[in-house]
Amino acid sequence: DSGVTQTPKHLITATGQRVTLRCSPRSGDLSVYWYQQSLDQGLQFLIQYYNGEERAKGNILERFSAQQFPDLHSELNLSSLELGDSALYFCASSPPSGLAGGQETQYFGPGTRLLVL
Amino acid sequence: AQTVTQSQPEMSVQEAETVTLSCTYDTSENNYYLFWYKQPPSRQMILVIRQEAYKQQNATENRFSVNFQKAAKSFSLKISDSQLGDTAMYFCAFMTIYYNNNDMRFGAGTRLTVKP
Repeated sequence: DSGVTQTPKHLITATGQRVTLRCSPRSGDLSVYWYQQSLDQGLQFLIQYYNGEERAKGNILERFSAQQFPDLHSELNLSSLELGDSALYFCASSPPSGLAGGQETQYFGPGTRLLVL
Repeated sequence: AQTVTQSQPEMSVQEAETVTLSCTYDTSENNYYLFWYKQPPSRQMILVIRQEAYKQQNATENRFSVNFQKAAKSFSLKISDSQLGDTAMYFCAFMTIYYNNNDMRFGAGTRLTVKP
């Protein structure tokens, strides 16, 4: 158990719909990262937040958005869903720089499996 | 742009033997980190080992060790005394570190099967 929690574990929805994925980082971690893993593929970095602010952006579609709240949990919003959005969505967290273990190590949650029908 | 290449989509090894998974990367950065993550059938991403680019000594974690060749931009993972529980997808990952601003790039993965 990495200490990162994600809800829900599974989500089934229809094309055109909107869903929200939730992530709670490990205690003390300020950074949250979102990744998308399509079937039998590697992980694609979507976006990073640090203490409520967006810090890095990867291949995130305009239909997708994220935010990090004052209590440090994060939500990934996916809208106008398409069949190709079906994937496993991971959240990861890392400590702030200067702490033992360092910001370079990311701890992954169990993922949310999204199926768009 | 940083890219990570894993040229072996699938590999297999007999239980108790040794296997090496390959990874190469491309970057113009001098300071960065490299990782190997394991993804078993449960799909959980588990950190296996990490290497700081500024360290010449290769990282080791029990049965797992790396061969880091900075000039060649190569970062291979050696698994010794392979166990059935090592069966998983293995992803090589690269990350540059800026102050609390970093993203990690993954290779496509190598599917490792340990045979009894």
